[in-house]
Amino acid sequence: EVQLLESGGGLVQPGESLRLSCAASGFTFNTYGMNWVRQAPGKGLEWVSGLNPGATNTYYADSVKGRFTISRDNSKNTLYLQMNSLRAEDTAVYYCVKPLPVGRWLQAYDYWGQGTLVTVS
Amino acid sequence: EIVLTQSPGTLSLSPGERATLSCRASQSVDSSYLAWYQQKPGQAPRLLIYGTSSRATGIADRFSGSGSGTDFSLTISRLEPEDFAVYYCQQYGYSPATFGQGTKVEIK
Repeated sequence: EVQLLESGGGLVQPGESLRLSCAASGFTFNTYGMNWVRQAPGKGLEWVSGLNPGATNTYYADSVKGRFTISRDNSKNTLYLQMNSLRAEDTAVYYCVKPLPVGRWLQAYDYWGQGTLVTVS
Repeated sequence: EIVLTQSPGTLSLSPGERATLSCRASQSVDSSYLAWYQQKPGQAPRLLIYGTSSRATGIADRFSGSGSGTDFSLTISRLEPEDFAVYYCQQYGYSPATFGQGTKVEIK
């Protein structure tokens, strides 16, 4: 059974940093590109960042480029999101998401974690 | 980036009725790269449809998707009580992948 378990969320002040983690299990983690998607309170979904299986290519939404860094440790089946210079508008639930098992980088997401709430205030 | 506009914002229907949700893209999207998700309060989204019309694993056949170009739709043939939720479309044909703002299907 595929499981994605996020952790690391919390309340921080503007300008501070936070590191999110996503522990993955139930699939061959090192063969999938992985992504983060966020959802501000009462709002819609926004893709934030992604990286390929070997972590050689990373991708970011314009809204977080230069402030967030995505990474992974395939030996630990874990995805990370380092968030620096946090702003009030970064307040959201952050989901770790797994794409469909098709080789193309851009994909629909067939598994989502339960999410971790980041509050910047 | 491609903007997806969903309509209506809220759909008020009764169990057993048919629901049709619309998703319009700001530019043409390959039909291979359009998905629909369902989200219930306090839960993560769940993939329903990908590639415009392919149902994800375990999704009931009352859910169907169609469309092409800039106009796509999700149809729920007969609403069950558990179908009242918010639905999002997503395009993943162009980077960045983008989502619509959602349609809430509520009990009338």
